[in-house]
Formats: sequence, C-alpha cells, structure tokens
Amino acid sequence: TQLLEQSPQFLSIQEGENLTVYCNSSSVFSSLQWYRQEPGEGPVLLVTVVTGGEVKKLKRLTFQFGDARKDSSLHITAAQPGDTGLYLCAGTSNDYKLSFGAGTTVTVRA
Amino acid sequence: DADVTQTPRNRITKTGKRIMLECSQTKGHDRMYWYRQDPGLGLRLIYYSFDVKDINKGEISDGYSVSRQAQAKFSLSLESAIPNQTALYFCATSAPRGTANEQFFGPGTRLTVL
Repeated sequence: TQLLEQSPQFLSIQEGENLTVYCNSSSVFSSLQWYRQEPGEGPVLLVTVVTGGEVKKLKRLTFQFGDARKDSSLHITAAQPGDTGLYLCAGTSNDYKLSFGAGTTVTVRA
Repeated sequence: DADVTQTPRNRITKTGKRIMLECSQTKGHDRMYWYRQDPGLGLRLIYYSFDVKDINKGEISDGYSVSRQAQAKFSLSLESAIPNQTALYFCATSAPRGTANEQFFGPGTRLTVL
C-alpha cells in the first residue's frame, strides 16, 4: 500500500493545455517534495513545500501544500513538450525518511 | 562531472550470482540511500546510512546488503540474485536542511536477473 497516492497515473495532453497532478495521503508530513524523472535518468528535485497552505511557483509550474500537510498538487500552465516526464511526489516523515508516490507519467504532444 | 555516480549503468546477470552496485558522491553529504524502482510502484527504500558508522534497513531490505566504505561511497550487494530483483536501482544523497531531507539521485543502474 502506497503511503502517498498520486492521480492520475497517466496524463496525455496537447501542447498549450493546462494540467494538474494530485498527491494525497492520510498521513501528515513535515515537508513534501516534487521530483521529475526523464527516461534513463534519476529523479530531479523541483520544489520542497514545508508550510501548510504554502504555494510555490516555478515558471509555469505551481505547487500547493494542503492546509493539513497531507496532500499536494502540481499545476502546469500552457504545457510544453519539454514538460514530458514522470512526476513523483515524496513526503518526509518525522524519522527523516522519504516516502514516494507511484508517480504520474505526463506526455505533452506537440 | 556528475555529483552522484553509479556503476555499472546496466547489468545482466543470472539467478544465483552475487552482484555489487556502487555509488560515489562528490556533494559532501553524510546521508546516502539505495532505492529500487519498479513500474507502478514508485521508489522503495532498500537501505540508508546517515553517516559512515550508521546502516539502517529500509522497507524492502531482504535479499540485499550494503557497505558504507567512506563518506563518499555506498555500495549495494545482492548476495544471490533472483529474477524478481530485476529493477532500476538508484543511489541518492541528502544533507538535511531543517525538516526537508531533499535528495539528489544518481543516474541509476538497470539490473536484469535471468
């Protein structure tokens, strides 16, 4: 059983459209991170959110941490083919270990 | 040069063979981790080490062992490989900043056990 549930599992959209990926849990996390992974490479950290209700923006990407620190979302505005990849959320628990979601595979078609 | 390197990048082996995967880092981080990635399951923690004298089991340590030879080196061994250990293996490092535990991953090793 995954501690963090990501949805959807797969997402395919046309260039220029918007998309949202969700990361939900019944557990409270001290912080939550989003990573992007491309084929043949390791995950790369995009952002860390720490405070309940926090919103962070990274160019066309907007990350939100839920008020109760149990869930998060990633919103991409005007997606581009370069946004294609596997998006992983990961929560840090009190023992400083990370728990990963299963990931959302995003494909942006030109 | 990459901050976290893994060798080999690809390995095909047979059931029962002993395999070692190696990880080196130049980030100066104390904490190192080994994960495996399987389709639809995300990343699962095998072992982790918070410093040279510290080794801890993760959620799926059975069938694996590790050695922390130095701050910069952390190796993973499969004593007797079996087909269900076929997976992508990632090494990661972290230097905790507050409560974040942000991790930096190597490029991965694709292991196939026949």
